[in-house]
Amino acid sequence: DIQMTQSPSSVSASVGGRVTITCRASQPINTWLAWYQQKPGKAPKLLIYGASNLQNGVPSRFSGSGSGTDFTLIISSLQAEDVATYYCQHANNFPFTFGPGTKVEIK
Amino acid sequence: EVQLVESGGGLVQPGRSLRLSCTTSGFNFGDHAMSWFRQAPGRGLEWLSFIRSNPYGGTTEYAASVSGRFTISRDDSKRLAYLQMNSLKTDDTAVYFCARGASHSSGWFDYWGQGVLVTVSS
Repeated sequence: DIQMTQSPSSVSASVGGRVTITCRASQPINTWLAWYQQKPGKAPKLLIYGASNLQNGVPSRFSGSGSGTDFTLIISSLQAEDVATYYCQHANNFPFTFGPGTKVEIK
Repeated sequence: EVQLVESGGGLVQPGRSLRLSCTTSGFNFGDHAMSWFRQAPGRGLEWLSFIRSNPYGGTTEYAASVSGRFTISRDDSKRLAYLQMNSLKTDDTAVYFCARGASHSSGWFDYWGQGVLVTVSS
């Protein structure tokens, strides 16, 4: 099975600040990677698919990059509504697995 | 508007069974793969099972943790997905989510239900 790791486990930044989250796969997955945002008590929301494609309706301050084993999610200008936990998920093969999550907070 | 609503959760004793349903609306159900996930209290997301659309064979995949105990199915005429859960264990206690694959056999999931709580306890 492909293992997904994320760093940091938590991050805080000021409103308007830049947040970078990294995700690493234990073996190459090309660009078969998605990013999700989950707010407390809510379902996950798809932000990015195919490593860098912005899902419809997602603000352009979110961007994704990477291929192979190393991936990045960037929030270019953090807003209060972005407080959430962010998960990466590989879709290279079964079983799909998620990273452990990165909690984003406002400083 | 795309909507997914899970039902069928609740309190169940270890070793017993439960069937979750995912009622959908607002999209052509037959064109999409469906999947089930869960999230134990205070924990991360875990993928459980996947069913391709019928034009792509309607075949299924399972996580090792539930293979042989859980069964995913779909009824395109009713726009429903199901998760039959047998031989439940206390470790199966979690919020269970159904989600729509972005296409017939997509591995990313663009719409999710709100989740349903399953508590396995004696």
